[in-house]
Amino acid sequence: DVQMTQSPSTLSASVGDRVTITCRASQSISSWLAWYQQKPGKAPKLLIYKASSLESGVPSRFSGSGSGTEFTLTISSLQPDDFAAYYCQQYNSYSWTFGQGTKVEIK
Amino acid sequence: EVQLVESGGGLVKPGGSLRLSCAASGFTLSNYDMNWVRQAPGKGLEWVSFISSLSSYIYYADSVKGRFTISRDNAKNLLFLQMNSLRAEDTAVYFCARMPKGSYYFDYWGQGTLVTVSS
Repeated sequence: DVQMTQSPSTLSASVGDRVTITCRASQSISSWLAWYQQKPGKAPKLLIYKASSLESGVPSRFSGSGSGTEFTLTISSLQPDDFAAYYCQQYNSYSWTFGQGTKVEIK
Repeated sequence: EVQLVESGGGLVKPGGSLRLSCAASGFTLSNYDMNWVRQAPGKGLEWVSFISSLSSYIYYADSVKGRFTISRDNAKNLLFLQMNSLRAEDTAVYFCARMPKGSYYFDYWGQGTLVTVSS
């Protein structure tokens, strides 16, 4: 199975900061990578799919990049509504796996 | 509006069984692949099972293979997860999640139903 290593596990930042979260795959997954945001007690929400495609309705301050084994999620200017947990997710050979998650906290 | 509503969770003893349901509305269920994803308390997300739009293809995570069975009834707009031989480590919130055909990502999720396995 493909393992996903997400970093950092926790990130402290201020409103207006540029934030970057990284996800590394144990083998190449082409561009089969998605990013989700999850707030406490809520279901995950799709932000980015196919590594860099922005889901409809998601603010343009969110962007994704990468291919192969290394991927990033960037929030260009952190807003109060963005404090949440973020997960990457890959698909390979009839199996889907998530990264361990990154909690974005208020500094 | 797309809605996915899970039900059927609860407290069950180790070795017991439970059947989860996910009611879909606001879209045509037969046009989408569907999944179950779970999240143990305070932990990350874990994919559990996939079923293609017409039930032709079914896949499971190794952690549940042989114990869980996914199924669907497109005519009734329902997705199911039959869980047998439950273990303490199956304790989690179980989400149903929609997947556009051929896309490999989850675009809509239900609010989840909590399954607790404890004696």
